[in-house]
Amino acid sequence: DAGITQSPRHKVTETGTPVTLRCHQTENHRYMYWYRQDPGHGLRLIHYSYGVKDTDKGEVSDGYSVSRSKTEDFLLTLESATSSQTSVYFCATWTVNEQFFGPGTRLTVL
Amino acid sequence: TQLLEQSPQFLSIQEGENLTVYCNSSSVFSSLQWYRQEPGEGPVLLVTVVTGGEVKKLKRLTFQFGDARKDSSLHITAAQPGDTGLYLCAGGETSGSRLTFGEGTQLTVNP
Repeated sequence: DAGITQSPRHKVTETGTPVTLRCHQTENHRYMYWYRQDPGHGLRLIHYSYGVKDTDKGEVSDGYSVSRSKTEDFLLTLESATSSQTSVYFCATWTVNEQFFGPGTRLTVL
Repeated sequence: TQLLEQSPQFLSIQEGENLTVYCNSSSVFSSLQWYRQEPGEGPVLLVTVVTGGEVKKLKRLTFQFGDARKDSSLHITAAQPGDTGLYLCAGGETSGSRLTFGEGTQLTVNP
């Protein structure tokens, strides 16, 4: 357990609205990640961060942006939500060959 | 893009049976990890294998990394209902900080 919390845990929003998901960790891990999980696709990396203000794109980054102003917080923003972004979003941290995952946020875009 | 394919996608068995889940790729990975995920929770690491041909045992679970470090298997002996969950394999690059996940195998063990 790496002390990872995600908020909100559930959110329903409408197409075209901005949405921000928050990930908070208490272990001071340098690396943080945002994944989305969809049936038949496993976990796909959206963005990751290797330090404060240092971020990079993953394989499915279109339509998403991230920010990391403090070690403990990693924010994922959907600038204008679309129905294809309905998914379960997981935040993770990494240290010594192991990724630790948060409990997930279920996002529904109507 | 590195891809990992898991098979089968779904597996439903009776308590006490044995099973094997496979994870295959055309790419070489520096390490291979297996995670287990329960409903409503994030994945949790079960094991990491790093050497070609390596075999690790975790109670009734046996993990093997292929000689060429492109594939892996997870074998469960005498499955129990508590083994029910989504099993995910993940391949690691050299630094180990970035993982490529397979699609997952949903295992259901019926009492």
